[in-house]
Amino acid sequence: ERVMTQSPATLSVSPGERATLSCRASQSVSSLLAWYQQRPGQAPRLLIYDASTRATGIPARFSGSGSGTEFTLTISSLQSEDFAVYYCQQYNNWPFSFGPGTKVDIK
Amino acid sequence: EVQLVESGGGLGQPGGSRRLSCAASGFTFSNYAMSWVRQAPGKGLEWVAGIGGSGGSTYYADSVRGRFTISRDNSKDTLYLQMNSLRVEDTAVYYCAKGNHIVVVAVYSDYWGQGTLVTVSS
Repeated sequence: ERVMTQSPATLSVSPGERATLSCRASQSVSSLLAWYQQRPGQAPRLLIYDASTRATGIPARFSGSGSGTEFTLTISSLQSEDFAVYYCQQYNNWPFSFGPGTKVDIK
Repeated sequence: EVQLVESGGGLGQPGGSRRLSCAASGFTFSNYAMSWVRQAPGKGLEWVAGIGGSGGSTYYADSVRGRFTISRDNSKDTLYLQMNSLRVEDTAVYYCAKGNHIVVVAVYSDYWGQGTLVTVSS
């Protein structure tokens, strides 16, 4: 099983600032990695798939990069609606494991 | 518009059974793999089970294999999760999620339902 880790666990950022979230896989997952956003009380929402492709309707301030075992989600200028928990998930091998999440909160 | 509406959650006892349903609309259901993902209170996401568009291929997390069964009725556009031998640690919000293509390998979830809460307690 691929074990996914994310860092940091919590990221405190001021509105308008840049946020960089990391995700690491215990073994290569190629580029089969997705990022999801989950706001409090809501279902997860797909942001990025195939490591770097934005999902439909996702603003350009969200970008993903990486391949193999190291991945990054960047939010270029945080808006109020971006304060949430972000999960990475690999879908290269079953079970499609998630990382433990990074909470982005207001500084 | 894609819609996924889960139902069947509630309170159950350890060792009991429960069946969750997910009614899908807004897309050709049989053309897409589907999954169940759960989230224990205050915790992260855990992939539970996945099924291909035809229903012929199924995958399970080790934590539920042999106790849970994922199935689908393409004539009713509905996904199911039969949960047997329930444990306290199965307490979670269960989400139904649509895959981005028909097979259940190399698939991410592009739409999610709002979830249904299953509580297992004596």
